[in-house]
Amino acid sequence: AQSVTQLGSHVSVSEGALVLLRCNYSSSVPPYLFWYVQYPNQGLQLLLKYTTGATLVKGINGFEAEFKKSETSFHLTKPSAHMSDAAEYFCAVRSGGTSYGKLTFGQGTILTVHP
Amino acid sequence: NAGVTQTPKFRVLKTGQSMTLLCAQDMNHEYMYWYRQDPGMGLRLIHYSVGEGTTAKGEVPDGYNVSRLKKQNFLLGLESAAPSQTSVYFCASSQNSAGPGNTIYFGEGSWLTVV
Repeated sequence: AQSVTQLGSHVSVSEGALVLLRCNYSSSVPPYLFWYVQYPNQGLQLLLKYTTGATLVKGINGFEAEFKKSETSFHLTKPSAHMSDAAEYFCAVRSGGTSYGKLTFGQGTILTVHP
Repeated sequence: NAGVTQTPKFRVLKTGQSMTLLCAQDMNHEYMYWYRQDPGMGLRLIHYSVGEGTTAKGEVPDGYNVSRLKKQNFLLGLESAAPSQTSVYFCASSQNSAGPGNTIYFGEGSWLTVV
């Protein structure tokens, strides 16, 4: 079984400040990990993903995440927040094998950026 | 470049009515999924399909039925809508689960309200 926990349903930062969104996962097999962003009234857009190889993954819009197996974490960061980053962010895990590639999502974290 | 298209985008139903959500993808993907999104709960898998003519239950299948008569289409049906089915529904597709981290592409969502 696989699960995802996002710590903090709401995160508020000032424009220009560091963004840190936390994600911990559990998976019985090596996981594939994803971050998606959802802007208001829109669908989900893939920010970045970890499959194998380099544990620091860079994504779109200046975001990056680091896979830490020992901590079962995949936290999302961005050095300097922009107003346009305000959205809801979802961490997800996907396992292979007989799970048929289904994604298991965290509860989501709403990021607010204030001037 | 349509990707994953969902129709309708918005719908209001009365309790007990039936309806079908249509998902179409033009990427020749084998795998298709229906998720529902509720506040504070992330996205939860309703049903999925690993190929034309196949369907399987996900995490929250009760009250829904699906069909995959054509590879490009995945229909989600509500036979007798209930207020608890008020949600945002997302369709998704991916090539297959074999490749590490095959990207899952999402539609833009269908907002369903049951009154």
